[in-house]
Amino acid sequence: DAKTTQPTSMDCAEGRAANLPCNHSTISGNEYVYWYRQIHSQGPQYIIHGLKNNETNEMASLIITEDRKSSTLILPHATLRDTAVYYCIAVNTGTASKLTFGTGTRLQVTL
Amino acid sequence: ETGVTQSPTHLIKTRGQQVTLRCSSQSGHNTVSWYQQALGQGPQFIFQYYREEENGRGNFPPRFSGLQFPNYSSELNVNALELDDSALYLCASSREAGAYGYTFGSGTRLTVV
Repeated sequence: DAKTTQPTSMDCAEGRAANLPCNHSTISGNEYVYWYRQIHSQGPQYIIHGLKNNETNEMASLIITEDRKSSTLILPHATLRDTAVYYCIAVNTGTASKLTFGTGTRLQVTL
Repeated sequence: ETGVTQSPTHLIKTRGQQVTLRCSSQSGHNTVSWYQQALGQGPQFIFQYYREEENGRGNFPPRFSGLQFPNYSSELNVNALELDDSALYLCASSREAGAYGYTFGSGTRLTVV
């Protein structure tokens, strides 16, 4: 699975959009980009995933660049409950699809 | 639908002992993966079970072993516990070897003293 690179930490004011970047320059054509988040002392929670096209669900939007070398997770109106570690993971779902977690981005949402 | 449940939630063991952790997969899921998460680190893949067979293993020694049962629940066994085995152990279930994403449990916090 391709390696991903994320900033160690980010801050966001409550009510503003949180834009979390991820670099995956070595991603292969059959690897999806998955985002999970982990709130303190809980298991990781699935947020969204995509292959080429931008995706949106009730939690977030995922913007993938045309060359697929990077992506951005957007939380449109961050709340205090969005404070968590966010993981960007490249996953080949055609094989035994283990998740290779990095250290993620620690997002702190503040008043 | 029920989610992934793990037991126990917390456990304290002595170095050299053996431990068994349990996971009930989400309804409709036939795949279970186990992860170890040390403090301040991301989860690390231990192994995956798909339809009762081991279907991939991470860089963990043989004293980490597992089982998956016909109802797709799973156990993680660790023998000869070491202090470095202290971690949060996470179970994740999915359909068809993870093709549709994973649902994680809340984990078992293991402390080895």
